[in-house]
Amino acid sequence: SQQGEEDPQALSIQEGENATMNCSYKTSINNLQWYRQNSGRGLVHLILIRSNEREKHSGRLRVTLDTSKKSSSLLITASRAADTASYFCATDRSGGGADGLTFGKGTHLIIQP
Amino acid sequence: EAQVTQNPRYLITVTGKKLTVTCSQNMNHEYMSWYRQDPGLGLRQIYYSMNVEVTDKGDVPEGYKVSRKEKRNFPLILESPSPNQTSLYFCASSLAHNSPLHFGNGTRLTVT
Repeated sequence: SQQGEEDPQALSIQEGENATMNCSYKTSINNLQWYRQNSGRGLVHLILIRSNEREKHSGRLRVTLDTSKKSSSLLITASRAADTASYFCATDRSGGGADGLTFGKGTHLIIQP
Repeated sequence: EAQVTQNPRYLITVTGKKLTVTCSQNMNHEYMSWYRQDPGLGLRQIYYSMNVEVTDKGDVPEGYKVSRKEKRNFPLILESPSPNQTSLYFCASSLAHNSPLHFGNGTRLTVT
C-alpha cells in the first residue's frame, strides 16, 4: 500500500530557480527518505530524515519534516539541468505489516536551460 | 565499486514461460527487496528478505517467488508469467530494513 504522496506530480522551472516538492504520508514513521530517479534508471538515495529531526541539509538539498502534519518537503536550490529527474519520498512502516520502504508516485521535475 | 547488479536489463517473453531475474549485491547487505514500477502506480514492493533464508511478502507478491540462499543473491522467479506482470522491476539492498536502499538499474519485462 502507498504511504507517501508527492505534490506536485510535475514541476517545470528555469535553471537557477529553486524547486520545492512536498510529500504527505498517512501513518507514523521512524524516518522519511528522498530518492531521485533519472529516466528509467534505478533510484538513488538523496537524504534521510528521522522522525525526531525537523530539518536536514545536504549540499543544495534541504529537507524538512513536520510529523504533526505528516508532511515533508524537499527544496533544491539553484537548480541545474542535471537535476531534471523524478523525485520520490519513501517512508518506513513503523505501524507493522510488510516491512521495508513504501514509495510515493513521485514528482517529475524538469529544469529548463 | 559498490553496486546492485540485475540481469537481464530487458526481457521479452510469452505467457506461461518460466523466467528468473537475477540480483546480486557486493556490499554484504542484510536486507534485499524487489519492487515493480508501473506508470501511475509508482513503486510497489513485491518481496523482501531480512537475511539469508528469511523472505516475506510485500504488497504485491502474487505470481512471484524469491529465494535467499546466499547473502549476496536474491533472484525473482516468475513461474508462469502473465501480461499483467509487464513492468519495470528493481532489486534493492540495504544494511538494515529501513536504511537507505541501493537500487539496481532495473529489468524491463514484457510478457506477451
